[in-house]
Amino acid sequence: GAGVSQSPSNKVTEKGKDVELRCDPISGHTALYWYRQSLGQGLEFLIYFQGNSAPDKSGLPSDRFSAERTGGSVSTLTIQRTQQEDSAVYLCASSYMGQGDSPLHFGNGTRLTVT
Amino acid sequence: SQQGEEDPQALSIQEGENATMNCSYKTSINNLQWYRQNSGRGLVHLILIRSNEREKHSGRLRVTLDTSKKSSSLLITASRAADTASYFCALQGSSNTGKLIFGQGTTLQVKP
Repeated sequence: GAGVSQSPSNKVTEKGKDVELRCDPISGHTALYWYRQSLGQGLEFLIYFQGNSAPDKSGLPSDRFSAERTGGSVSTLTIQRTQQEDSAVYLCASSYMGQGDSPLHFGNGTRLTVT
Repeated sequence: SQQGEEDPQALSIQEGENATMNCSYKTSINNLQWYRQNSGRGLVHLILIRSNEREKHSGRLRVTLDTSKKSSSLLITASRAADTASYFCALQGSSNTGKLIFGQGTTLQVKP
């Protein structure tokens, strides 16, 4: 079946503009995660959804970042008034149960460049 | 910090040799997972080891977990050029329901 799909794969935006990143998880996966990865770095946790609710949004860097998930499926990560330090690859992952003992399935990410 | 710390940061070996990567952490965990990332791609799950397990195998991969030392190791035996990638450990803390925190990764280069 289809894996985790992220769109767009690349996004170049001007500083100060808003961007929306989309994630389509694997069908039937209840948990959905957003991570951020800067060049050559590890993954920075942003937010985690179980169904449509977000039990843990502690990783969102500032109030310019928000995320939502509707219908227990698609999720969007919105960054308002983008800054150059927001440039990174944004990775989405989903898992079957979200209890931490199900492996995460990752998309290929959205590479965001803020000029 | 719940984050795992990986060692070494970079490793270069010849094809056929074994590669060992280590992950140390500071908190109590429910499980520890290893992932692989090829350049420009998402991560792929390799293996999960629970806190009550000491060793797991999957093909050429062997993972050990020592909860008393709060450390894990990933061994890749008989390495191949195709094993060249970054390898990450990820922790699920005992106080969290689903959040996975990733380490900084080890970059492995296998020379043909």
